[in-house]
Amino acid sequence: LAKTTQPISMDSYEGQEVNITCSHNNIATNDYITWYQQFPSQGPRFIIQGYKTKVTNEVASLFIPADRKSSTLSLPRVSLSDTAVYYCLVGDLNSGYSTLTFGKGTMLLVSP
Amino acid sequence: DAGITQSPRYKITETGRQVTLMCHQTWSHSYMFWYRQDLGHGLRLIYYSAAADITDKGEVPDGYVVSRSKTENFPLTLESATRSQTSVYFCASRWVGGKWSTEAFFGQGTRLTVV
Repeated sequence: LAKTTQPISMDSYEGQEVNITCSHNNIATNDYITWYQQFPSQGPRFIIQGYKTKVTNEVASLFIPADRKSSTLSLPRVSLSDTAVYYCLVGDLNSGYSTLTFGKGTMLLVSP
Repeated sequence: DAGITQSPRYKITETGRQVTLMCHQTWSHSYMFWYRQDLGHGLRLIYYSAAADITDKGEVPDGYVVSRSKTENFPLTLESATRSQTSVYFCASRWVGGKWSTEAFFGQGTRLTVV
């Protein structure tokens, strides 16, 4: 499984765009990149998943450069309710990735 | 109701007692997981199951036992609870295979305190 590195914490203010970068230098050809969000006292929740280039949904965007050695989760115009821990996961969907190994994530604190 | 549910939500038990945490999902997902979450450690995988009657160890399996006789249920048993097993436990399920989304769904968690 590809190892991921994320910042431990980030601070932002309401209305700003937040970009959280995840480094995964040894990503394999079959690996996908997935991000989860966890609020206090709740289980993690899937946000977005991608393989290359850019993926966008109603919650976030995921930017993946051509070499795929990193990825950036972009949250547009954050609000206080976006305060949470964000996890980056990397792996092959149909084999080792099935175990869903979480790192320590990035604690995002959004202030008024 | 469709979804994944854990029970109980809160549990206090004494050292040395056996305790079972229940997990039930209604989607017939093939994979199910048990994690524990402690401050400073993030989510750590205890056990997982690829299908009924197929289970395997995760990162921190010692002191835990799992079974999966039916696809929808994946109970986690602490055979002799210790204070170090005080934690929040999360169950999750996921479909694996083909081009399907592999989004995992998590339960609400069980907060276990061992005194």
